[in-house]
Amino acid sequence: DIVMTQSPDSLAVSLGERATINCKSSQSVFSSSNSANFLSWYQQKPGQPPKLLIYWAYTRESGVPDRFSGSGSGTDFTLTISSLQAEDVAVYYCQQFYSTPLTFGPGTKVDIK
Amino acid sequence: EVQLVESGGGLVQPGGSLRLSCAASGFTLSSYWMHWVRQAPGKGLVWVSRISSDGSTTTYADSVKGRFTISRDDAKNTLSLQMNSLRAEDTAAYYCTRSDNGVWRYWGRGTLVTVSS
Repeated sequence: DIVMTQSPDSLAVSLGERATINCKSSQSVFSSSNSANFLSWYQQKPGQPPKLLIYWAYTRESGVPDRFSGSGSGTDFTLTISSLQAEDVAVYYCQQFYSTPLTFGPGTKVDIK
Repeated sequence: EVQLVESGGGLVQPGGSLRLSCAASGFTLSSYWMHWVRQAPGKGLVWVSRISSDGSTTTYADSVKGRFTISRDDAKNTLSLQMNSLRAEDTAAYYCTRSDNGVWRYWGRGTLVTVSS
């Protein structure tokens, strides 16, 4: 099984400041045949289902503000919120869809400082 | 508009059974791989099961293998999850989600399953 870890567990950032979340997979999730990393990022607010933010490690989902960006390859990935807004308070999860069982990171809670 | 609506959750005793449904609209279920994901109260997301677009392939997390069965009713455009031998640790919100070549952009709002005596 591919184990996903995230750091930090939580972070508090001032409005307008940058928030950075790291995600690490226990094995590479890069597919050479697809030339893509099978890695997605989700945002989840209380009482709501997860919302897709980023897929293939860095492709932003349609409608997602451009302050959200994804980077990384292989086993190390990052989600960056360039200028934190109040509506970004949520838990963020990374997920690999390279192999079953499909696995999520434990989540990172983002709050306003 | 793509919509996924789960139903069938509720309170069940340990050892009991429950059948969850996920009604799909705005698209044809048989054209996509579909997944179930669950989330225990206050905890993270856990993948449960998937079914291929043609229904020939089903895969399960080890924690539910042999107890849960995923299926599709193409005539009703509905995904199902039959859950047997339920345990307290199966208590969670269950979400269905559609896979677009591995990308899960459409999710239902979830249905809550509580396993308790």
